[in-house]
Amino acid sequence: NAGVTQTPKFQVLKTGQSMTLQCAQDMNHNSMYWYRQDPGMGLRLIYYSASEGTTDKGEVPNGYNVSRLNKREFSLRLESAAPSQTSVYFCASLAGAYNEQFFGPGTRLTVL
Amino acid sequence: AQSVTQLDSQVPVFEEAPVELRCNYSSSVSVYLFWYVQYPNQGLQLLLKYLSGSTLVESINGFEAEFNKSQTSFHLRKPSVHISDTAEYFCAVKASGGYNKLIFGAGTRLAVHP
Repeated sequence: NAGVTQTPKFQVLKTGQSMTLQCAQDMNHNSMYWYRQDPGMGLRLIYYSASEGTTDKGEVPNGYNVSRLNKREFSLRLESAAPSQTSVYFCASLAGAYNEQFFGPGTRLTVL
Repeated sequence: AQSVTQLDSQVPVFEEAPVELRCNYSSSVSVYLFWYVQYPNQGLQLLLKYLSGSTLVESINGFEAEFNKSQTSFHLRKPSVHISDTAEYFCAVKASGGYNKLIFGAGTRLAVHP
């Protein structure tokens, strides 16, 4: 049981490049989330998916898109990266019965 | 909407001393409250949570937090800290009804010194 996994762990992009951050969970959770973590700002929700086939915007969705490929996988795409998107990105899934979110190890993204 | 304020961005403390990390929230509806811990270069882990019932909740590693509705607070305490408690701690709130979206505070960095 791996929990929540994220790939890649580190990435460096140039301004304007695109990339997809991958997230998968093996806990059969319905809900999944993407957050970004910036110093002094805590975690801010980018997008979430209440269930397979649905996605909704969070606090800071501009510049991002998501895909809930199936129940296990929830990917985050940056179509044209900007330096303001330099951050650590966390994926999480929710054990609804216990109101607990489980987090992946994070992806550290630098946009030059 | 809900919001969370963590009153201290950094808390330095000596080993075996007590510590309190402060968290205040605002909400017009009933809430669930959480403390998460993030060790260096890792994701967040749930430390403890208040959903209902006893207002004092405890974690397995000696932390406790008390839900105070009148003061809209959920402060985290430990009577004697260890070096291994060095981490960043996040308070989070969720409306008890409606969708499961957590709102996080900015975090408090706890540094335990020998």
